[in-house]
Amino acid sequence: GAVVSQHPSWVICKSGTSVKIECRSLDFQATTMFWYRQFPKQSLMLMATSNEGSKATYEQGVEKDKFLINHASLTLSTLTVTSAHPEDSSFYICSARDSRDAKNIQYFGAGTRLSVL
Amino acid sequence: DAKTTQPPSMDCAEGRAANLPCNHSTISGNEYVYWYRQIHSQGPQYIIHGLKNNETNEMASLIITEDRKSSTLILPHATLRDTAVYYCIVRPGATSLTGGGNKLTFGTGTQLKVEL
Repeated sequence: GAVVSQHPSWVICKSGTSVKIECRSLDFQATTMFWYRQFPKQSLMLMATSNEGSKATYEQGVEKDKFLINHASLTLSTLTVTSAHPEDSSFYICSARDSRDAKNIQYFGAGTRLSVL
Repeated sequence: DAKTTQPPSMDCAEGRAANLPCNHSTISGNEYVYWYRQIHSQGPQYIIHGLKNNETNEMASLIITEDRKSSTLILPHATLRDTAVYYCIVRPGATSLTGGGNKLTFGTGTQLKVEL
């Protein structure tokens, strides 16, 4: 299957700092990527849909000024957690779908575990 | 997207078939059944999907009832590495111009534990 690379896999930061997470589709082009968040023992919650060359679409309750999404190319989307606080500590996961694949399958990265001290 | 119902947990002996059920009684005509799994602390992995016919690939088989109100994911010879949370998701298969059809809404899934 298609490969999605997510970096970093683990990050620890101080409260008030910003953290950038990268999501890359390695062997396919992705006009649409997705960002999810998962708290311990809970399911994945969609945060936003990232569209190449345009603004992201955020889910209800997700602050767009806090979670900045940039999708500048067909293979890269970034999520920046601005002014991170301990309550932002979570497992962040991205996914991407192959723009040329009619099967509408999303391929996921390995996730980024964020710990805010 | 139609709602799905799955048992919260199941156990399976290694080497035996694991049959994971999913109810989706409100599924509509253009919605497919997708299965993903998430091994602990990893990103979800696509397994299989189907519309109305049974499907099989190298990972699993998907059996969809004739009325499409339920389905079963079958792992023919479960191994310890198949221990994971399995998610059954119903959504449109074709690309939606609005992008909404591309969303994946994860429920609570079934925690499958494969034991020796």
